[in-house]
Amino acid sequence: DAGITQSPRHKVTETGTPVTLRCHQTENHRYMYWYRQDPGHGLRLIHYSYGVKDTDKGEVSDGYSVSRSKTEDFLLTLESATSSQTSVYFCAIKGWVETGGADTQYFGPGTRLTVL
Amino acid sequence: AQSVAQPEDQVNVAEGNPLTVKCTYSVSGNPYLFWYVQYPNRGLQFLLKYITGDNLVKGSYGFEAEFNKSQTSFHLKKPSALVSDSALYFCAVRDDGNYQLIWGAGTKLIIKP
Repeated sequence: DAGITQSPRHKVTETGTPVTLRCHQTENHRYMYWYRQDPGHGLRLIHYSYGVKDTDKGEVSDGYSVSRSKTEDFLLTLESATSSQTSVYFCAIKGWVETGGADTQYFGPGTRLTVL
Repeated sequence: AQSVAQPEDQVNVAEGNPLTVKCTYSVSGNPYLFWYVQYPNRGLQFLLKYITGDNLVKGSYGFEAEFNKSQTSFHLKKPSALVSDSALYFCAVRDDGNYQLIWGAGTKLIIKP
């Protein structure tokens, strides 16, 4: 168990409203990731972070921003939600080298977001 | 460019029979290959990975995968399927020059009693 929690677990919102999803980890992992999962697409990387205040874009970053002010928290913000952002969002961390987890990503339980 | 393909949307297997879930990939450097499983309404769970070494990799829940460099494949296998193996399986790949994992679209595995 990589100690990853996501909040909220479910959210319904309306088009044009801002939404923030939170990922929290308890084991001081340096790398954190945000993905979205859509049928037929697998997982697609939105943004990732390699340390406090160090973030970079993934393949589907348009319409999303992230922040990481503390090691344990990685926030994903939809500035103005659209129906195309209806999806399941997963946070992940990269495991420790010492425990054989290097290069392995471990996932949170997900947030199901519906934009009406 | 990196890519990964899972050619079967769904695989149906009878309980007790061997199962195979296929994955092929394309990378420019040395591949790092992963299999994950997702049960309904759950996050993804790591099953196994190939970075280097033996081509046959053993993982969780009795699963194994064989790295075949010439065929650029990394098929997931299990000698005897259980009904509880029914889930969505994802293959992912990156090469040693890239940070980003590329994911397959997933294969739904259905094990029938």
